[in-house]
Amino acid sequence: EDQVTQSPEALRLQEGESSSLNCSYTVSGLRGLFWYRQDPGKGPEFLFTLYSAGEEKEKERLKATLTKKESFLHITAPKPEDSATYLCAVRAGGGADGLTFGKGTHLIIQP
Amino acid sequence: EAGVTQSPTHLIKTRGQQATLRCSPISGHTSVYWYQQALGLGLQFLLWYDEGEERNRGNFPPRFSGRQFPNYSSELNVNALELEDSALYLCASRSEGAGYEQYFGPGTRLTVT
Repeated sequence: EDQVTQSPEALRLQEGESSSLNCSYTVSGLRGLFWYRQDPGKGPEFLFTLYSAGEEKEKERLKATLTKKESFLHITAPKPEDSATYLCAVRAGGGADGLTFGKGTHLIIQP
Repeated sequence: EAGVTQSPTHLIKTRGQQATLRCSPISGHTSVYWYQQALGLGLQFLLWYDEGEERNRGNFPPRFSGRQFPNYSSELNVNALELEDSALYLCASRSEGAGYEQYFGPGTRLTVT
């Protein structure tokens, strides 16, 4: 069974304090790892897709990396507007096409 | 470009009733996915529709069903509602041939009393 575990569950940082969120996964035949951002009461907003170990993607203050067992979302010099829940999801092989999501990391950036 | 739209925004039903939720994908997207986001459980995959056909379903009972129309919009039906069906129901769409990214709508908040 495909599994995605995110840590920590919650993280409180000061504005400008860089950190990393972790996503560990167990999946048969990874066909993509996805990062989303979700604000309260809204649908998830797509951030990144990673397909193979060693791949990295960047967008503003966010950088996502991928190894064979986990992915990291690095947040550099965050701002209060980066506060949100960050979700990690995987797409497995075998024809099943729904994404398997972790429970997310609730990030709070204090001014 | 308009995003994924869902209706209604909120829906309140009584246990045992039926609920119908609607989704319009991004223009040009042919695949539609439904997810349930219940408190404490995270997003769970419900159903996948592509070209009018149900292609795959998650670990949910048959009272969760739906369909996709010729214009690629989709409908999720939940029969014999139970209290634990209370959740945010999210629809996502994807473009064939592009990267596999799914783009989500704002969701329908279903409350079962």
